[in-house]
Amino acid sequence: EVQLVESGGGLVQPGRSLRLSCAASGFTFRDYAVHWVRQAPGKGLEWVSGISWNGGSIAYADSVKGRFTISRNNARNSLYLQMDSLRADDTALYYCAKLSCGGGGGCNTWYFDLWGRGTLVTVSS
Amino acid sequence: SYVVTQPPSVSVAPGETARMTCGENNIGYKSVHWYQQKPGQAPVLVVYDDSDRPSGIPGRFSGSNSGSTATLTISRVEAGDEADYYCQVWDSSTNHVLFGGGTKLTVL
Repeated sequence: EVQLVESGGGLVQPGRSLRLSCAASGFTFRDYAVHWVRQAPGKGLEWVSGISWNGGSIAYADSVKGRFTISRNNARNSLYLQMDSLRADDTALYYCAKLSCGGGGGCNTWYFDLWGRGTLVTVSS
Repeated sequence: SYVVTQPPSVSVAPGETARMTCGENNIGYKSVHWYQQKPGQAPVLVVYDDSDRPSGIPGRFSGSNSGSTATLTISRVEAGDEADYYCQVWDSSTNHVLFGGGTKLTVL
């Protein structure tokens, strides 16, 4: 079955760290860029970070730059998000998502064609 | 930076047509993708590249993009279409992903 399964969420105090994982199966993980998207309770989707197929290209939202680190291990079909200096406004459901090429194959645009179910991160004292 | 705007809510009766918009400067020059998110579930792609449908998405879902507004249209709306709908664009200058704030579709 083609799927992404997140883990590692939980309750953490402000200023502490947490590491999320995303396990991929059913497709050739090493061929695709993968991203993290989060959703605060009752709010909309917010893009967090993305990493290219080989880790050579990485991007972060301004809201997490300098605090979060994305990485991947293609041998283990896994994506990670190291979250440091956590704040209350990082509280959210964190999804991993697989990126696919759009633009009729020209790859001038990208979209998410597979999402995990998410893992909940709560930052509170 | 780009700001992608969506109306917060749209309401339609069953069997009618729902239209949800997504606006951003120069959006006509970008491809827009749409996701459906039902309560307690992960988002699902319903339209990509402005107007293409992934396999398994009913033909009642269609998309268009011109000028400064992209539109997701759902024809013959059903109760099961009630959900939040998000548009998304790719910022090629930064390799960032941008989501609209989402539109809550209510089926009356």
